[in-house]
Amino acid sequence: KQEVTQIPAALSVPEGENLVLNCSFTDSAIYNLQWFRQDPGKGLTSLLLIQSSQREQTSGRLNASLDKSSGRSTLYIAASQPGDSATYLCAAYGQNFVFGPGTRLSVLP
Amino acid sequence: DAGVIQSPRHEVTEMGQEVTLRCKPISGHDYLFWYRQTMMRGLELLIYFNNNVPIDDSGMPEDRFSAKMPNASFSTLKIQPSEPRDSAVYFCASSYSHPGGTEAFFGQGTRLTVV
Repeated sequence: KQEVTQIPAALSVPEGENLVLNCSFTDSAIYNLQWFRQDPGKGLTSLLLIQSSQREQTSGRLNASLDKSSGRSTLYIAASQPGDSATYLCAAYGQNFVFGPGTRLSVLP
Repeated sequence: DAGVIQSPRHEVTEMGQEVTLRCKPISGHDYLFWYRQTMMRGLELLIYFNNNVPIDDSGMPEDRFSAKMPNASFSTLKIQPSEPRDSAVYFCASSYSHPGGTEAFFGQGTRLTVV
């Protein structure tokens, strides 16, 4: 059974810092891994999708990497801004989508 | 497209009552997913459909829960009878082609409170 974990559970950084969020999964037999952002009381917004055959994906200040063999993915956020404050979730898709518990990010002005 | 649309946004009901949650997926998407989110358990997949057919309902917690997709543009999740432990945010999501290859798009969710 796939299990997805994320560390840290919460992170608080000053504006402008670069940061890394970590996602680990136990079953490497996945089709893809997707990173989402969730604002309080809102739905999930897809940020990046990495296919199992890919190593990384980039969108603006975001870069996500995938290492299937080690069961890890990272989300790198460059030059963080207060507007980046949200909960970030990763989801591994094998038989179905399995979500991690999320990392709650606060970027302080 | 307006995205995935869920209704109602909030629902408060008494224990024992029937609750119906509704979802309109993005036009052209052939996969539809129902998720439940709680503080204790995070996001859990309840059921998903492909071309209106239920594919995997192993996440449905018990027989009180049922889901239907009568056509490509509408799905319902019904809880009968409802219990306080069903209180959660229920999300609907849709995607096209194989979900392994494309992104899932989520609705804004329905916050259900059973008192």
